[in-house]
Amino acid sequence: GAVVSQHPSWVICKSGTSVKIECRSLDFQATTMFWYRQFPKQSLMLMATSNEGSKATYEQGVEKDKFLINHASLTLSTLTVTSAHPEDSSFYICSARDLAGTGFINEQFFGPGTRLTVL
Amino acid sequence: GEDVEQSLFLSVREGDSSVINCTYTDSSSTYLYWYKQEPGAGLQLLTYIFSNMDMKQDQRLTVLLNKKDKHLSLRIADTQTGDSAIYFCAEIATYKYIFGTGTRLKVLA
Repeated sequence: GAVVSQHPSWVICKSGTSVKIECRSLDFQATTMFWYRQFPKQSLMLMATSNEGSKATYEQGVEKDKFLINHASLTLSTLTVTSAHPEDSSFYICSARDLAGTGFINEQFFGPGTRLTVL
Repeated sequence: GEDVEQSLFLSVREGDSSVINCTYTDSSSTYLYWYKQEPGAGLQLLTYIFSNMDMKQDQRLTVLLNKKDKHLSLRIADTQTGDSAIYFCAEIATYKYIFGTGTRLKVLA
């Protein structure tokens, strides 16, 4: 099946620093990738949709200047949490949709997640 | 609004069947999904059902869909300790997934 990786799997940073999280589709091309945030014991909340070669589409309430998304190639999207604060600590999960559309329509493949802890 | 709801917890004994329920809101969803999340990990697609189906069986998993009531369920037969995890149902609203609140399944040996 299609594989999506994330790097790093966990990161601890100081308040005020920026952190970049990478999401890669390893064996397929993805024009669209999605970034989710998951708080402890809660569901996944869609933050933004990342489109290759164009600007990301952010969900209501998500600060685009805070969470910078870049989707420079068909296999890589990055999420940068700028000037991170403790309230940004969370589990960030990305997913990708296969350009070739194998499987079935709208299937998304999920990365293993990145746990961010801001001290 | 878009709300997908699930009961928060379910505890079963090993070997018993588990039934996890979900209610969704978007009647135009073409597919409905069940995902499994183990501690500290991403989501694993377990199964899905097309909206014009009532039931789908896949080995130990049975999905039932009541479109009229917007109710989806996942039955796990012969539940094992390895099935302990959080289970999310999800619907598609346009191209976006809307995830349920998640049900934490605990399997007792």
